Amino acid sequence: EVQLVQSGAEVKKPGESLKISCKGSGYSFTSYWIGWVRQMPGKGLEYMGIIYPGDSDTRYSPSFQGQVTISADKSISTAYLQWSSLKASDSAMYYCARQDEVGAPFDFWGQGSLVTVSS
Amino acid sequence: DIQMTQSPSSLSASVGDRVTIACRASQSISTYLNWYQQKPGKAPKLLIYAASSLQSGVPSRFSGSGSGTAFTLTISSLQPEDFATYYCQQSFSTLYTFGQGTQLEIK
Repeated sequence: EVQLVQSGAEVKKPGESLKISCKGSGYSFTSYWIGWVRQMPGKGLEYMGIIYPGDSDTRYSPSFQGQVTISADKSISTAYLQWSSLKASDSAMYYCARQDEVGAPFDFWGQGSLVTVSS
Repeated sequence: DIQMTQSPSSLSASVGDRVTIACRASQSISTYLNWYQQKPGKAPKLLIYAASSLQSGVPSRFSGSGSGTAFTLTISSLQPEDFATYYCQQSFSTLYTFGQGTQLEIK
């Protein structure tokens, strides 16, 4: 069974750093892309970027380039999304999702990681 | 970026109704169009990919059509579990973009 299991909810202060994770199982982790999608409270879905864990090829949406870092550790089948200095506006639910190839849909999704940034 | 515009933004319907949601792309995306369903507090779920292909396990009352810039998602006979928010997404460009969503509510 394909599963993407994300790390738990986080409460952080502005300026702090954070790294959330997405662990894949039930499939060949290095053969599929992992994407990240943001959903701010009460709002729609926003694509952030994707990574191919097989060779760490990473592509960012211009809206998120320089704001976050996407990475992966294929030895433990885990992808990451990290911030070096959080802002209140980063408060949102973040989803990871699997993609067979560039241009394919996101066919399996993680359960989401809620990030709250507040002083 | 390719802009995706859904209509309507919200829709009230009754169980058993036939419902259609439209999605328009700002430029041609061939059939690189996917539809997702999201229920409150849950992750999105893939319903339709490549404009008209039904994802495994999705009921056949869901169907998709279109190509180029105009697409539709149709639910042939609404069931209680279908009340949710629906999003289209283009995967033609690697700068993937989602529509703003259509909230389907019970009348």
